[in-house]
Amino acid sequence: GENVEQHPSTLSVQEGDSAVIKCTYSDSASNYFPWYKQELGKGPQLIIDIRSNVGEKKDQRIAVTLNKTAKHFSLHITETQPEDSAVYFCSVSGGSYIPTFGRGTSLIVHP
Amino acid sequence: DSGVTQTPKHLITATGQRVTLRCSPRSGDLSVYWYQQSLDQGLQFLIQYYNGEERAKGNILERFSAQQFPDLHSELNLSSLELGDSALYFCASSVDKGGEKLFFGSGTQLSVL
Repeated sequence: GENVEQHPSTLSVQEGDSAVIKCTYSDSASNYFPWYKQELGKGPQLIIDIRSNVGEKKDQRIAVTLNKTAKHFSLHITETQPEDSAVYFCSVSGGSYIPTFGRGTSLIVHP
Repeated sequence: DSGVTQTPKHLITATGQRVTLRCSPRSGDLSVYWYQQSLDQGLQFLIQYYNGEERAKGNILERFSAQQFPDLHSELNLSSLELGDSALYFCASSVDKGGEKLFFGSGTQLSVL
């Protein structure tokens, strides 16, 4: 089955800095790569996604880049704010259509 | 609000017992996924239903079972509970069966004592 590795497990930044979270995957048939944000006491929420025919996608302060050849994709958050503090999960689906999740990154933004 | 409703929010029970977790998907969504979240294992896929039929199974224990009803709500049944079953159980729904754009409920926190 699909294997998704996510790094780092914890990321601490100062408000206003950028944050980057990376994921690698194993199944070359995978073609859909979303990112989810989980706040305390809530379920994961989709914040951005990208398909395999696109290299980069932006939505205001967040962006996702995909390198299909190397089988890795990254989440970029610019001008971080305290409300960005949460656990972020990458996910991969495609071949089996079953979303597989990374283990999560706890992002802490210090005011 | 994701539109996915999970009940109950918290469940405390004893080893050997059986519990039922309930999920109502977003209006119009045909797929329901169940995930188990624990600190050391992340989000583990258990099972998926699409329009009433089981579509895919993950690492779901034989003690666990699920079903999706004609009104599309789903139930996850956990029996012969063990301490290690303590976790947060999430239900998610999506429009189709392709695994894209999942909407998650707030989860059921299960504590087995």
